[in-house]
Amino acid sequence: DAGVIQSPRHEVTEMGQEVTLRCKPISGHNSLFWYRQTMMRGLELLIYFNNNVPIDDSGMPEDRFSAKMPNASFSTLKIQPSEPRDSAVYFCASNSMAGGTEAFFGQGTRLTVV
Amino acid sequence: DQQVKQNSPSLSVQEGRISILNCDYTNSMFDYFLWYKKYPAEGPTFLISISSIKDKNEDGRFTVFLNKSAKHLSLHIVPSQPGDSAVYFCAASVGGSNYKLTFGKGTLLTVNP
Repeated sequence: DAGVIQSPRHEVTEMGQEVTLRCKPISGHNSLFWYRQTMMRGLELLIYFNNNVPIDDSGMPEDRFSAKMPNASFSTLKIQPSEPRDSAVYFCASNSMAGGTEAFFGQGTRLTVV
Repeated sequence: DQQVKQNSPSLSVQEGRISILNCDYTNSMFDYFLWYKKYPAEGPTFLISISSIKDKNEDGRFTVFLNKSAKHLSLHIVPSQPGDSAVYFCAASVGGSNYKLTFGKGTLLTVNP
């Protein structure tokens, strides 16, 4: 299996633009997580899906952030409009059962908003 | 307020010696703890975990110790190898679930040949 696949690996955008990050979880995994890593706050959980349904989005920082999972093999995290403070590495992770197995992470998307 | 703290941003050890990475937590409800390893430009990878009903878990060169009364856990790597050089994250969760993990900020381990 190719593991969790994220795209793009790097994204540089101007403040105010819309940014969409993409994730393909491991086939057969039914839980998907979006994390954000910053120097100040470390790794934070933004949102968690189970069977394509958002279960916990309490970590989503603002209404500018939204996430979707239209099917079991694809998820997006959108920031609109983007701001410089959104600059971070965004990770997607998946596992086969919440609370059952450890999550597998993608390689991340490094987002820079200028 | 940081509920999981890794107070050492970095650690340097000689190849073959023991590496000890420390983690403290403040939330007494945490009952499941994990260590992740992260290389540059890659995502974190799971290393080892421990439930609060245990005080030690071993997997090859890696051992995690849990001291619930002190709210402290540590990861021991023996012997350390240059390939172990990475950032190590401690994480914790409530209810035995690993979905809502609270991570520390990480410790950069450098193993010198």
